[in-house]
Amino acid sequence: GAGVSQSPSNKVTEKGKDVELRCDPISGHTALYWYRQSLGQGLEFLIYFQGNSAPDKSGLPSDRFSAERTGGSVSTLTIQRTQQEDSAVYLCASSKEWGSEQYFGPGTRLTVT
Amino acid sequence: RKEVEQDPGPFNVPEGATVAFNCTYSNSASQSFFWYRQDCRKEPKLLMSVYSSGNEDGRFTAQLNRASQYISLLIRDSKLSDSATYLCVLNGNNRLAFGKGNQVVVIP
Repeated sequence: GAGVSQSPSNKVTEKGKDVELRCDPISGHTALYWYRQSLGQGLEFLIYFQGNSAPDKSGLPSDRFSAERTGGSVSTLTIQRTQQEDSAVYLCASSKEWGSEQYFGPGTRLTVT
Repeated sequence: RKEVEQDPGPFNVPEGATVAFNCTYSNSASQSFFWYRQDCRKEPKLLMSVYSSGNEDGRFTAQLNRASQYISLLIRDSKLSDSATYLCVLNGNNRLAFGKGNQVVVIP
């Protein structure tokens, strides 16, 4: 079946611009997660959704980051006024329920110039 | 103590040999444990869940030691294609914790 998809696969943007990243989870998966990974670094947990709600937003690096999920399906991660340190691969994952096996999308590689 | 700790390595393993590594955790309330594999510049992929009694999947064996708070992964008869970073993931108290990974390099 279809896995987790993310778009765009690559995004180059100028410092100060806003970007929106999209994640389509596996159908029927109630939990959705966003992570960030810089080159050669481990996964940094950003936020997760249980259905449409995000119980814990403390992982978001700053108030320039926000995320939403609608209809218990697609999620978007928005970064406002991008900075160079935002450059990383943004990974999305979904699971049947929170804490169970996660399936990752291919990621969006964001480069802020 | 960090929530999850893994020795980054690299673990250089001759092809055909056995390699094992651990992931230690500090949250005794951790309930679910997983091993993921991540290839260079790729997304993590689920390798296996870790069950209390230990479990095996082909050449891979995972074990959980709650008393000492670690999980382990053992790879037998290493193949060149096993070269990757192996991440442990824990779930407990509504928190997910990821290790930074054990890098395995299988040498011909």
